[in-house]
Amino acid sequence: NAGVTQTPKFQVLKTGQSMTLQCAQDMNHEYMSWYRQDPGMGLRLIHYSVGAGITDQGEVPNGYNVSRSTTEDFPLRLLSAAPSQTSVYFCASSPGQGRSTDTQYFGPGTRLTVL
Amino acid sequence: TQLLEQSPQFLSIQEGENLTVYCNSSSVFSSLQWYRQEPGEGPVLLVTVVTGGEVKKLKRLTFQFGDARKDSSLHITAAQTGDTGLYLCAGGIGGGADGLTFGKGTHLIIQP
Repeated sequence: NAGVTQTPKFQVLKTGQSMTLQCAQDMNHEYMSWYRQDPGMGLRLIHYSVGAGITDQGEVPNGYNVSRSTTEDFPLRLLSAAPSQTSVYFCASSPGQGRSTDTQYFGPGTRLTVL
Repeated sequence: TQLLEQSPQFLSIQEGENLTVYCNSSSVFSSLQWYRQEPGEGPVLLVTVVTGGEVKKLKRLTFQFGDARKDSSLHITAAQTGDTGLYLCAGGIGGGADGLTFGKGTHLIIQP
């Protein structure tokens, strides 16, 4: 199993550009989520999904969209990139319905810079 | 938002020494997890504790959940260079992973 994969690994955008961060998992996990990690801020939840066709907002959803058309894929879209979105983005998946005691499996991250 | 304070923020010690890092809050958590993150990679789960006073051991790592479920500690015995990394604690409120609160982490460097 590849686990959780993310592409691209690095990306530089100009302010106002849009892009999609890809995330896929091959563990048949129902729960998937996106976090951003900033220096001095810890990991913060952007959006999450408890299964195909179901998504919900996390702590910091503004400026981001998600969709979940399949169990495997959970892309994160930046609609109009801003410098404040410069961060490292992690996708994670976990079995079951995403209980706080479940193991979350994180991808390797995408390092995004917005100029 | 429930806050988790981790201390120290940075720690650099020699190989073979013992160390303890802390995760504290004024809030009660139903569960607490510890993750380790290496540079350029995502966090990897080390342990989950759910009962106040619970102690779990993972080789040279000992995890304790406070009796009141407001704090936790991670003790490493005879640290090795492979223990170097960012240690994150994450507290759960209620049942959902969407309620997890992550601390800012302790950057640990083990010098050879």
